[in-house]
Amino acid sequence: GQQLNQSPQSMFIQEGEDVSMNCTSSSIFNTWLWYKQDPGEGPVLLIALYKAGELTSNGRLTAQFGITRKDSFLNISASIPSDVGIYFCAGNMNYGGSQGNLIFGKGTKLSVKP
Amino acid sequence: DGGITQSPKYLFRKEGQNVTLSCEQNLNHDAMYWYRQDPGQGLRLIYYSQIVNDFQKGDIAEGYSVSREKKESFPLTVTSAQKNPTAFYLCASSHGLGDYEQYFGPGTRLTVT
Repeated sequence: GQQLNQSPQSMFIQEGEDVSMNCTSSSIFNTWLWYKQDPGEGPVLLIALYKAGELTSNGRLTAQFGITRKDSFLNISASIPSDVGIYFCAGNMNYGGSQGNLIFGKGTKLSVKP
Repeated sequence: DGGITQSPKYLFRKEGQNVTLSCEQNLNHDAMYWYRQDPGQGLRLIYYSQIVNDFQKGDIAEGYSVSREKKESFPLTVTSAQKNPTAFYLCASSHGLGDYEQYFGPGTRLTVT
């Protein structure tokens, strides 16, 4: 089935650093979503993107819907310890109003630098 | 407070037993979903339901069953036919058809020995 490639798989952050991660697909997507999951909890929706080229912010988080519609990027500015967790991208290939389910990437695990 | 609840948080069962995981939402959402998450993996769709009394198989439905008798509730039964039932199970909901913003419950960790 369709897969989303998320990278990096894991990364270490030092407080104050900016963080970037991305998600790519071989197919065109019409919706991109970014979620954060803390250990043992359900994912929390961070940002939803619906239009190619769209740039949307949520506090220190900024996500972009790639203009090719095959990728999306998430940036976290000035990271803080509570940013640690697993970040998932998810996408949908269908247009609004039609049936379609989300496809999830395998996640980017953010940890604190020892 | 509106949200999705899943119970219990942890569940232990012996191999060969069926077990039912609860999912309730008070968001007035039409669509509900069940996902399975294994370590280091993304979420895989088990079953979904767009309206009451209707549900569809997802990518990994074998060994699972669901019902949708009420809008608020979408229980998942893990049957003895599921070969690797130990996993973290997540329930989600969205407004309905064409709305891709899914909101998740806190999850149930099922361990089968």
